[in-house]
Amino acid sequence: AQSVTQPDIHITVSEGASLELRCNYSYGATPYLFWYVQSPGQGLQLLLKYFSGDTLVQGIKGFEAEFKRSQSSFNLRKPSVHWSDAAEYFCAVDSGGGADGLTFGKGTHLIIQP
Amino acid sequence: DVKVTQSSRYLVKRTGEKVFLECVQDMDHENMFWYRQDPGLGLRLIYFSYDVKMKEKGDIPEGYSVSREKKERFSLILESASTNQTSMYLCASRTRDPYNSPLHFGNGTRLTVT
Repeated sequence: AQSVTQPDIHITVSEGASLELRCNYSYGATPYLFWYVQSPGQGLQLLLKYFSGDTLVQGIKGFEAEFKRSQSSFNLRKPSVHWSDAAEYFCAVDSGGGADGLTFGKGTHLIIQP
Repeated sequence: DVKVTQSSRYLVKRTGEKVFLECVQDMDHENMFWYRQDPGLGLRLIYFSYDVKMKEKGDIPEGYSVSREKKERFSLILESASTNQTSMYLCASRTRDPYNSPLHFGNGTRLTVT
């Protein structure tokens, strides 16, 4: 069965500093990978996705992620964070069947220090 | 714009009550999903549906059932609510094509069972 691990429950970053959120997945074939963000009191919003091709994908709000098959990782990055980036971030994997939804990691809570 | 609407943001119910959580999407999506979100556990799939009157169990279906009588509406039912079902419930939908249709989420229903 597929699974997703986000090793960091909380991360604190100063405003303007760079950010990297880690995600490792377990799946036999090439997975479909996603990062979602959840602001307080809101549903989840898609930041970016990877299906195939270029392993560096660009998303909304200045985020990017890099797929590394050898490390089974799909880490999310941003060169300079803003206070509005404070939120919960979820990595997810899809087996590609489409019908049966995504498997999510447990999330990383991002705190931005002024 | 894509919209998934959950009828209630907050619900308070008593143990043993029958509870209905409603979700409506306006995008003509075939697939709909119910997730449960708990701190430290991320999102867990309860049930999903890939067509009208069709349903499939997710990872944690015990204590829940669903109904999909119309394409745009997917209801989650707690037959006899218990305190361990206190949680945030998220509805999501998408088309059958994962390439072109990521999951779209509602804003969630926070259910408290006392």
